Amino acid sequence: GQNIDQPTEMTATEGAIVQINCTYQTSGFNGLFWYQQHAGEAPTFLSYNVLDGLEEKGRFSSFLSRSKGYSYLLLKELQMKDSASYLCAVREGGNNRKLIWGLGTSLAVNP
Amino acid sequence: ETGVTQTPRHLVMGMTNKKSLKCEQHLGHNAMYWYKQSAKKPLELMFVYNFKEQTENNSVPSRFSPECPNSSHLFLHLHTLQPEDSALYLCASSPSRQGPSYEQYFGPGTRLTVT
Repeated sequence: GQNIDQPTEMTATEGAIVQINCTYQTSGFNGLFWYQQHAGEAPTFLSYNVLDGLEEKGRFSSFLSRSKGYSYLLLKELQMKDSASYLCAVREGGNNRKLIWGLGTSLAVNP
Repeated sequence: ETGVTQTPRHLVMGMTNKKSLKCEQHLGHNAMYWYKQSAKKPLELMFVYNFKEQTENNSVPSRFSPECPNSSHLFLHLHTLQPEDSALYLCASSPSRQGPSYEQYFGPGTRLTVT
């Protein structure tokens, strides 16, 4: 079956580094997305991985290992505004616009 | 410029009411989506439209009726809803080209409460 697992909640300190993990089991794989969603707001795109390795974009980086069905989102120099839910989503097929979504990880950044 | 807009932002309706949710995108995309987001559940895809044609109906009950008059507008017509339909309804859009990394752009959502 299809399954995406993420931790439900995480807590970190302002200025620190946090890693949010995502493991997936899907019938196919054609890319993994990370989205950020602040409470009461729309999810916004953060990163996309389709090949193994690390993609860096400013304070945020995302890693993918297809053989392990594993990804992580790394947030550096945490700021209070990074407190949000982080959603992992997998696209199964090339022509398939359907994304399989995780439950999201609620990150609280404390001063 | 706000890429994807949704109205209303909040809606309270009785089980016998009929209402409609509206979504508009200003990004030149041709694919549009309706999602349902409930507490403690993953985002649930409801419908997908590509160039105004419905390409996916994810076993959604008939009390939800989508309409896509053009590539910029998407509606979700609601009638005889149940309390369990209370949720955040999100609209999204994306390019239709077969690019591998096209992400979906989301609207702010309509918070629906069915009483």
